[in-house]
Amino acid sequence: AQSVTQLGSHVSVSEGALVLLRCNYSSSVPPYLFWYVQYPNQGLQLLLKYTSAATLVKGINGFEAEFKKSETSFHLTKPSAHMSDAAEYFCAVSEPGYSSASKIIFGSGTRLSIRP
Amino acid sequence: GAVVSQHPSRVICKSGTSVKIECRSLDFQATTMFWYRQFPKQSLMLMATSNEGSKATYEQGVEKDKFLINHASLTLSTLTVTSAHPEDSSFYICSAEPQGLREKLFFGSGTQLSVL
Repeated sequence: AQSVTQLGSHVSVSEGALVLLRCNYSSSVPPYLFWYVQYPNQGLQLLLKYTSAATLVKGINGFEAEFKKSETSFHLTKPSAHMSDAAEYFCAVSEPGYSSASKIIFGSGTRLSIRP
Repeated sequence: GAVVSQHPSRVICKSGTSVKIECRSLDFQATTMFWYRQFPKQSLMLMATSNEGSKATYEQGVEKDKFLINHASLTLSTLTVTSAHPEDSSFYICSAEPQGLREKLFFGSGTQLSVL
């Protein structure tokens, strides 16, 4: 069975500092991996996804994530945090070539706070 | 971008009453919509898959008589929590899959249900 674990339910960084949100996955087959962001009072938005092409995936708003098979990780990073990055971030995994969202498994989320 | 509107965003009700949550795709048609719930500090869990014009498919352990789903049109799915109890208090969120675009998911902003 597939699963994702997000380490740290809450991460706080200073504005301008590096953002690192951790995600480890468990899958018996090479997975598809996703990062979603939820801003206050809004729906989840797809930040980026890995679908077995390049291991370093660039997403919106300056975020990127690197698929590391040896570490079964898909950590999300951003070099310099901005106040507008404050949100809830969800890591998710699905079977490759997924054809239905019912295959997506979400992590428990990490709340990112930005200190002025 | 595509928008999914979920209403209400927050509801407080008395134990034993029923609550209806609406999920609308505003600028696209969705033959498939999904309903999730999230308990504090836990993962977003899929409850059911709502299919336009047919019965919803419920995940194991979800009571279909308690969580009534209706997907009467290509832009609207509703989730009714019947005879709500305090243990039903949770965050409910819907997502919609655009017709003909099966690898895209758009999420509503969620509904926080509190049952007194």
